[in-house]
Amino acid sequence: EADIYQTPRYLVIGTGKKITLECSQTMGHDKMYWYQQDPGMELHLIHYSYGVNSTEKGDLSSESTVSRIRTEHFPLTLESARPSHTSQYLCASSDSGQPQHFGDGTRLSIL
Amino acid sequence: AQSVTQPDIHITVSEGASLELRCNYSYGATPYLFWYVQSPGQGLQLLLKYFSGDTLVQGIKGFEAEFKRSQSSFNLRKPSVHWSDAAEYFCAVGVKEYGNKLVFGAGTILRVKS
Repeated sequence: EADIYQTPRYLVIGTGKKITLECSQTMGHDKMYWYQQDPGMELHLIHYSYGVNSTEKGDLSSESTVSRIRTEHFPLTLESARPSHTSQYLCASSDSGQPQHFGDGTRLSIL
Repeated sequence: AQSVTQPDIHITVSEGASLELRCNYSYGATPYLFWYVQSPGQGLQLLLKYFSGDTLVQGIKGFEAEFKRSQSSFNLRKPSVHWSDAAEYFCAVGVKEYGNKLVFGAGTILRVKS
C-alpha cells in the first residue's frame, strides 16, 4: 500500500488567510502532483514536480504555489484564500512509468 | 489534445449483477490507461492499469478491464457487484510525452441496490 499523507484533512477558514496544504510521501518517488477536484467533477492537474527544485504548472490555472525542497515533501500554498478556492485538493506521487498513488485529500472551505 | 470520456454519470445495479463501466479516450499513441475508485471523503485507489501486452487486465477487488484499440475504449467490468463497490470510478489516460501526467474522465457514480 502506498504511503502518501495529506494534512489537514478538512480546513474551514476565512477569506484573506494564508493557507498551506501539506503532502508527504515515504516511497522516495521523484514525481509528485497536486489535483483540484470540485464535487462530482473530474480531477484537474494544477501543479507537478519531477524532482527536487522542479515545479511546473498543470493544465488548470491556479492561484496557488508549490515548492519541492525535499523529495518527500510537496506543500501547496494559497497566499490569500478566497471563496473561489473552496474545493478538494488531492496530492499524488509516482515513480517513472508507474501509476500515481493518491493521498486522502484536503477538503478546503473558504468562508 | 488528450481526453477521456465516461458517458455514464450514474449507474445503478443490483447486488450480485454484472457491471460494465464505459471509458473512451482520445490519444495519438498507445496510451497508458488506468481505472481508479474513490469512496466518499477519500482519495483515489488504483484498481488496475494497462501499459502494454495482454489487452485484458485484472485488477483488485475482482475488477477487470479490456483495452480495445480499434474502439479507443477501456471498459471496466465486474461479474458480480457487492454493496461495498458503491463509489465513484474514474478512468484516466497517462500522457507519456508529459511525464505520464494523468488526464481524467468526469467519473461514474455507481450505486448498488440490495
